[in-house]
Amino acid sequence: QQQVKQSPQSLIVQKGGIPIINCAYENTAFDYFPWYQQFPGKGPALLIAIRPDVSEKKEGRFTISFNKSAKQFSLHIMDSQPGDSATYFCAGSGTALIFGKGTTLSVSS
Amino acid sequence: EAGVAQSPRYKIIEKRQSVAFWCNPISGHATLYWYQQILGQGPKLLIQFQNNGVVDDSQLPKDRFSAERLKGVDSTLKIQPAKLEDSAVYLCASSTGGPSYGYTFGSGTRLTVV
Repeated sequence: QQQVKQSPQSLIVQKGGIPIINCAYENTAFDYFPWYQQFPGKGPALLIAIRPDVSEKKEGRFTISFNKSAKQFSLHIMDSQPGDSATYFCAGSGTALIFGKGTTLSVSS
Repeated sequence: EAGVAQSPRYKIIEKRQSVAFWCNPISGHATLYWYQQILGQGPKLLIQFQNNGVVDDSQLPKDRFSAERLKGVDSTLKIQPAKLEDSAVYLCASSTGGPSYGYTFGSGTRLTVV
């Protein structure tokens, strides 16, 4: 499978901070880039997604920044809350989603 | 809308035994995926179905894994014989079309092979 590389592996921020998670992809045929959020014991859930013809997308406190020339995209979480503590996965899409290895975010109160 | 149902939630088996997982996707979702998620890693695609036909099974270890989707609805994933390295969470997801329509994942089956 074509890889999607995600960093950092883990992240700790204080409440109100702005965690940033980065991803890089290899396959230029990918045409859809979602972020999924996963809580322990649950399946991943779609958080926000972007297509490569858009450089930025915001939904509530979550923002994706996309750099097509660099083949990179990132997730920013504004005003982070303890309830945002979860594992986040980026992905790239061909006929199916190819996921990164995940980032475990901990937001301390 | 009911979610993606998976069973069992947990399974512990000895190596070389066989095991089967079941998935019931969201009604009307034509596309069904099985992913393997090893602890601390992202989900890895095993197989993708469109209705009851296989779209991609290139990552499925076919010497021990098999999957079917009868009548384009429910699906089963089987492992026979299981190895220690098969210990993982097996996630089923469904979608109305391709990935850009958004996946809905089930809660998964956690398999432990001892």
